[in-house]
Amino acid sequence: GESVGLHLPTLSVQEGDNSIINCAYSNSASDYFIWYKQESGKGPQFIIDIRSNMDKRQGQRVTVLLNKTVKHLSLQIAATQPGDSAVYFCADGPFGAGSYQLTFGKGTKLSVIP
Amino acid sequence: DGGITQSPKYLFRKEGQNVTLSCEQNLNHDAMYWYRQDPGQGLRLIYYSQIVNDFQKGDIAEGYSVSREKKESFPLTVTSAQKNPTAFYLCASSIRGWGTEAFFGQGTRLTVV
Repeated sequence: GESVGLHLPTLSVQEGDNSIINCAYSNSASDYFIWYKQESGKGPQFIIDIRSNMDKRQGQRVTVLLNKTVKHLSLQIAATQPGDSAVYFCADGPFGAGSYQLTFGKGTKLSVIP
Repeated sequence: DGGITQSPKYLFRKEGQNVTLSCEQNLNHDAMYWYRQDPGQGLRLIYYSQIVNDFQKGDIAEGYSVSREKKESFPLTVTSAQKNPTAFYLCASSIRGWGTEAFFGQGTRLTVV
């Protein structure tokens, strides 16, 4: 999602519940999408990626859904745990060996309530 | 993480001074990148390098300079021409472009005092 000023969108979920984090992108030509997790003061960690020829991809406890029609990406985290608390952001751009520029979203802060 | 190391973790600089941030990777990646992150903002690309001895400007290159003399190293110099240098700086590397194996470093927080 988009943020206003310095304030990130925040999502609070109870431990054990599922989390859904949304992201809108603007470039209809993008064919590669990534989700990153960033803990406070640390570098981003790769979570999952998806190509535009897919609309769903699953990893361990995470699922990414891509809706190219409305240019929307979502990250679903199953059975959210306290260690999932972090800022999550998406990125989009061209895919592959010739692609060196991604557009990064501003992020959503996920807080897990024990 | 992932064999890419940034140093130092925290850096303080007086106004008017140049400062160099280090980024080293042992992943044999051809591509390296520098991003700037400000509170509540997405990552913005400063410079990237596809291969040794080559680099291109990103979206916010003004006031920054880089070199790529070795495959493993991509240092970023924040010059006195950068008007608002206080930020969190992230280095990344990938085998080639995005979509090939890519990792970020742990970042350097630069504060101008």
